[in-house]
Amino acid sequence: ETVMTQSPATLSVSPGERATLSCRASQSVSSNLAWYQQKPGQAPRLLIYGASTRATDIPARFSGSGSGTEFSLTISSLQSEDFAVYYCQQYKNWPLTFGPGTKVDIK
Amino acid sequence: EVQLAESGGDLVQPGGSLRLHCAASGFIFSAYAINWVRQAPGKGLEWVSVIGTSGRPTYYADSVKGRFTISRDNSKNTLYLQMNSLRAEDTAIYYCARSAAYREDYMDVWGKGTTVTVSS
Repeated sequence: ETVMTQSPATLSVSPGERATLSCRASQSVSSNLAWYQQKPGQAPRLLIYGASTRATDIPARFSGSGSGTEFSLTISSLQSEDFAVYYCQQYKNWPLTFGPGTKVDIK
Repeated sequence: EVQLAESGGDLVQPGGSLRLHCAASGFIFSAYAINWVRQAPGKGLEWVSVIGTSGRPTYYADSVKGRFTISRDNSKNTLYLQMNSLRAEDTAIYYCARSAAYREDYMDVWGKGTTVTVSS
């Protein structure tokens, strides 16, 4: 199984600041990496796939990078609606696996 | 509008069974693989199972293998999850989610979820 880890577990950021979230895979997943955003009481929403491609209607302040085992999600200027939990997911190997999540909260 | 809508969640005793449904609308259901993903209270996301466009292949997480069965009826645009021998640790919100494309199993459409509680 490909184990996904995320850091930090919690990131405290002020509105307008930049946030960088990390995701690591226990073995190479090439670029088969997606990022999701989840707000309380809501289903997850796809943000990024292919490690760096924004999904439909996702603002340009969200960007993804990386390949192999090291990935990052950057939010260039945090807006109030961006405070949420973010999960990475690999889809290179079975079973599909998610990271434990990074909670981005208001500093 | 592209939508998935889960139903069938309930309170069930340990060892019991439950069948979840996921109704699709707004897209060609038979053209997409569909997943079940669950989230225990206060926890992260756990992938459970996936089914291919015509009902095969199917894959399962080790935690549910042999107890859960995924199936679909393309004529009814509906996905199912038959859950047997339920355990307390199966308590979660269960989401159905569409795989975006063939061999691209990131999930681009999600339902709102249905809640399963396993407790005596």
